[in-house]
Order: sequence, then structure tokens, then C-alpha cells
Amino acid sequence: GAGVSQSPSNKVTEKGKDVELRCDPISGHTALYWYRQSLGQGLEFLIYFQGNSAPDKSGLPSDRFSAERTGGSVSTLTIQRTQQEDSAVYLCASSLDGTGDTEAFFGQGTRLTVV
Amino acid sequence: AQSVTQLGSHVSVSEGALVLLRCNYSSSVPPYLFWYVQYPNQGLQLLLKYTSAATLVKGINGFEAEFKKSETSFHLTKPSAHMSDAAEYFCAVSRDTGNQFYFGTGTSLTVIP
Repeated sequence: GAGVSQSPSNKVTEKGKDVELRCDPISGHTALYWYRQSLGQGLEFLIYFQGNSAPDKSGLPSDRFSAERTGGSVSTLTIQRTQQEDSAVYLCASSLDGTGDTEAFFGQGTRLTVV
Repeated sequence: AQSVTQLGSHVSVSEGALVLLRCNYSSSVPPYLFWYVQYPNQGLQLLLKYTSAATLVKGINGFEAEFKKSETSFHLTKPSAHMSDAAEYFCAVSRDTGNQFYFGTGTSLTVIP
């Protein structure tokens, strides 16, 4: 596609349920990032994928969070047993090759509300 | 280690006035620097980037930023604010490889008519 696509755009879930958030990066981009943005806050890094390398999971806040990237393209962020503090906008971004001078292109985000 | 500090979480300017959003970075090596803008309910959009070419970088919508190594700064400016500039602005620094982006906490710009 022309840009980074995220689905769903909005998700309301009950506390304790699992959710899956999807990201379709720009075709040909090898690097993919997930960030979390809470109300009025900056971007909190969650996880980074680069090609076939092992992902950088250092930003995942707990073991309830996991992500995978299948075939070097689509990525899914899964949150198990959701808590109210998980409510935030989850942003996905991709970049061409993960080198320092290439910009990241962002999707419009998934707004997750845990009730 | 890289990090970014954005001074002022909220900035208000009058329409037509100068916009100045501050960003200071720390980096052990010469950095790549970026400014992104986020309009309400949207993702982030690149405004401009510094990649060690010209120190004065021009971006979209009339914005520009100057890389000052001696001050470790990359402040964003626009000579004349427009109502449509109201948004959240993020400064970011990156490194050559790996998990590249370190974002500041953002500055919310309000333009007063």
C-alpha cells in the first residue's frame, strides 16, 4: 500500500480480555516499530523488527505484551489479559532499512480503550 | 547513548508570530535528527531531517531547523505561525543501526488567532 496501515483504528475491550493489533508496513520496508502513546505523553518504544534479525523487545512493559512479524511484512501486537493502564494509542511505523538517516513512516494508530 | 530533551511541553504563539520549538540532544556520535508533527487523531508525519549535510534544514509547511553541534541543539522554527500549525511536535534522534529512534516527550503548539 501507499502508507502504513493499522487496524482496527479503534478498539474497546473489557478488562482481562486479549487483543490483537495489526500493522501493514510500507511494501519493501525491512524495519518495523511499535510505540505506545498515552494521553498527553510522548512515544514509548515497545518493540523493533529489522529483517530476519531477532527483534529488540526491550521496550515491552510486561510479559502480557508480545509481537510477531510474519514473512518480514505484517506485524501483530498482542496484549493478553488487558488492564486499564493499557489504554493508549498504539502506533506502528516502518522504515526502508533501519539505517540512521532513513525516516520512519507512521500509521494512524489504534486507539485501545480497556473498560 | 542517545536522548532528546524538548523544552516546553506547551507553547502558545499568536497567528503570524515566530514559532520556536526547542530540542536538545545527547549523542556519543554525530546524530541524525528529525522533527515530526502529529495532528489530532493522526499518526506522525515527518517535517524535516538532518543527516550531516547542510546544518540548516528546510522542511514542509515553511518549517526549518538548524543543527548546532556546539549547543547540541536542533530547534524548529517558522517565521509566521498559521492556525493550521496547531499540533504536537516531536523531536527524535537516531543512530546508524538497530532500534534507531529516540523521541522527545513532545511540544504541543497552540496558535492564538
